[in-house]
Amino acid sequence: EAQVTQNPRYLITVTGKKLTVTCSQNMNHEYMSWYRQDPGLGLRQIYYSMNVEVTDKGDVPEGYKVSRKEKRNFPLILESPSPNQTSLYFCASSFGQANEKLFFGSGTQLSVL
Amino acid sequence: SQQGEEDPQALSIQEGENATMNCSYKTSINNLQWYRQNSGRGLVHLILIRSNEREKHSGRLRVTLDTSKKSSSLLITASRAADTASYFCATVYTGGFKTIFGAGTRLFVKA
Repeated sequence: EAQVTQNPRYLITVTGKKLTVTCSQNMNHEYMSWYRQDPGLGLRQIYYSMNVEVTDKGDVPEGYKVSRKEKRNFPLILESPSPNQTSLYFCASSFGQANEKLFFGSGTQLSVL
Repeated sequence: SQQGEEDPQALSIQEGENATMNCSYKTSINNLQWYRQNSGRGLVHLILIRSNEREKHSGRLRVTLDTSKKSSSLLITASRAADTASYFCATVYTGGFKTIFGAGTRLFVKA
């Protein structure tokens, strides 16, 4: 089954404790992206990747890191999480670089205490 | 820098009625897409309309695009309780590689 898999689904952590949210897709998509969703603000893009070893900042990249060492994986790293990073996070992927149809993971609800 | 803004923020209708949601954006685009989200789950792609198209249909969905007004509308005909969800427009601006989402319209369809 074609899908984007994120883990974990829920995560509670404390300020400053490094964490990684994993994202994997099995559709051989070139494009992958991370979004955060906050009430009233819709989805805001954190980082995106056009292909392996090619990443770029979205609209809200501060406090986040990403890497794209393999085509299928695009982990999101919070080196020192802060409470303002409490949010619902989504990974998405699409074929090619035209962004004509994004496939989304089920989301990761992160709480930073 | 949100590209799309939806209107209304929330909409409540009776089953069987039509639901119309609007989206406005700021700069020239390659395409505009509509997505659906159920209760904090992942978004699901509904329909895409390109900048050179004016109207598109898919089942009970009809999307229009007016590039002169930088706006789009999504019409859901004969709505069902199962259509209850949040709907987002998303734009890919000309020359860009990002898909930018608006804040969404929350649709509630009463049975």
